[in-house]
Order: sequence, then C-alpha cells, then structure tokens
Amino acid sequence: NAGVTQTPKFRVLKTGQSMTLLCAQDMNHEYMYWYRQDPGMGLRLIHYSVGEGTTAKGEVPDGYNVSRLKKQNFLLGLESAAPSQTSVYFCASKPGQEYYEQYFGPGTRLTVT
Amino acid sequence: RKEVEQDPGPFNVPEGATVAFNCTYSNSASQSFFWYRQDCRKEPKLLMSVYSSGNEDGRFTAQLNRASQYISLLIRDSKLSDSATYLCVVGLNTGFQKLVFGTGTRLLVSP
Repeated sequence: NAGVTQTPKFRVLKTGQSMTLLCAQDMNHEYMYWYRQDPGMGLRLIHYSVGEGTTAKGEVPDGYNVSRLKKQNFLLGLESAAPSQTSVYFCASKPGQEYYEQYFGPGTRLTVT
Repeated sequence: RKEVEQDPGPFNVPEGATVAFNCTYSNSASQSFFWYRQDCRKEPKLLMSVYSSGNEDGRFTAQLNRASQYISLLIRDSKLSDSATYLCVVGLNTGFQKLVFGTGTRLLVSP
C-alpha cells in the first residue's frame, strides 16, 4: 500500500495562476482532509470530506475549492493564487468517524511569487 | 489565546538525557489527545495517544491532566533519532472529530 500520496511535491506559481493539488489514498478511507502548515502556526484545516461526493469548509477555506468525485481522491484547487497561499499543504485521511488518528501524505510545498 | 499551546523550544539535550514537553489546551470539551512527531520537511506521524491514566510506550510516557487541561510527554534516554518536532494534538467531537494542532516543540539531541 502506498498510503496517502500527494502530487506535485513542489510548485512555484505566479500570482493569479491556478493549480490543482491531488491527494490519493489506497486505504479505502472515508474521511479526507486538506491542511496548510505555516511557520509559527499549527496545521490549519482548509476543507474536509466525510465521503465520496461530500465536502465541507474548515477553518481557512477562502481562496480554495475542493472536490471528492472518487473515494480515493481529494483535490484542492487554487483558482487565483496569492502570495498568502505560500505554504506547505498536507492531505490526510482516516477510516471513518469513530477514528481520530489521521494518516498524512508527504506534503506539497507551494510558493506563490 | 491559541487552542493548543506549546513551548516552541528548541530543547537542546545530550544523548541519554531525559526531556519533558508540556502542552495546554483551552477547550474543556476536548475528548482525545495525541502526540504527533514531525521530522524536518516531512509529514506528521502519530507517536502516541494520551489517556487519563497515563500511558507508556518504550522510552516515551504521556500524561493527561483534564482538570488542568494539560498534557505532557516524557522522553527517557534520548537518542539522536529523537530529534524532531513534537506536536501536541487535541481531538474535538464536532461531528467529524476535528483535530487541533499545536505549533510544536522542537527537540535537538546532540552526541
């Protein structure tokens, strides 16, 4: 099992460009999450999904959109990137509601210039 | 006030030392508690869950004090490989079991 994978690993964008980050998990997990991690701050939840076809906003959803068309994939989109979105993005998943432990992907380092 | 507060460190200790990290949380409705480990430029990984009765996993001991809303992690006989950032994490039952992450405490173990 690959666990949770993320693509790309690194990306540099210019302000105003768009991109999609892909998260894939092969553990048949129901719940998936997108976080961002910035220096001096804990991981902050952007969006999450409790199952295929469902998404919900987290703490810092502005400027991002998500989709969960297939159970194994959770996509994070930036429609018009801003320098404030420079961050490390982590995807995570867990089996279901009764579980707390989340399994994280390796992260995507995004720089917006 | 941050929901989960930790001393950022770094804690610089020699190999073999015992080191303790503390964490406080503000939400009294918190239901579950964890320590995650994060190596430099890597993803967080669960180190151990924390129970009210306290729990031990090898050289690592975690304690929870619900009355004081305080969590601790003790590492005995530190190894070079213990160098990492330790994240205190609290779980809230908000309908999807939200995890709230502290900013982490950095540990550097030197020879």
